[in-house]
Amino acid sequence: SDEPTQPPSVSVSPGQTARITCSGDALGKQYSYWYQQKPGQAPVVIIYKDTERPSGIPERFSGSISGTTVTLTISGVQAEDEADYYCQSADSDGTYIVFGGGTKLTVL
Amino acid sequence: EMQVLESGGGLVQPGGSLRLSCAASGFTFRKYAMSWVRQAPGKGLEWVSSISGSGASTYHADSLKGRFTMSRDNSKNTLFLQMNTMRAEDTAVYYCAKAVAGTNFFYMDVWGKGTTVTVSS
Repeated sequence: SDEPTQPPSVSVSPGQTARITCSGDALGKQYSYWYQQKPGQAPVVIIYKDTERPSGIPERFSGSISGTTVTLTISGVQAEDEADYYCQSADSDGTYIVFGGGTKLTVL
Repeated sequence: EMQVLESGGGLVQPGGSLRLSCAASGFTFRKYAMSWVRQAPGKGLEWVSSISGSGASTYHADSLKGRFTMSRDNSKNTLFLQMNTMRAEDTAVYYCAKAVAGTNFFYMDVWGKGTTVTVSS
């Protein structure tokens, strides 16, 4: 399966750094994207093309890639960052979209 | 402001059909690929289908096995998803999303608020 793998949950205290990983064979060949989704709301893209941040997204959100693993890093986590985070990429052939299972970030 | 607004959701019986619409505004609709993404209650995001800006190319998740058809009317800035032979597992919030390019649909920058589809007898 080309579906990327994410940890189901990550917990951090306010002000700490949260790292959410996403692993998959297609990563590194295809770009990755990260979405933040808060309860009852639509997803919002926070990282595109592995490491780029759209305008309006706080600098504390950053993306990185190493081999077939991409990582979303949230530096100085704030209470408002508590949400579900999804990585998204494409299959190895670039034919269809795949999402990771999502990671629930809890701010303690 | 770029916006997309879904409509057409509701309650449908198993085996029934439903047609979702997505009205776009604030951008030149024909220039951008569009996608449908769904989210079952309490579950993650699942890609459903994508279509190029011209409408000439469409892509569907294999799991749908031809039951869903995506189309667009560029003269009316509207996207459609025709869903047939519906099953309980199709129950979800269906999101419409705009891509940043006409043929590359992988980067979706504008999402609607979603429309809820419930398949139940």
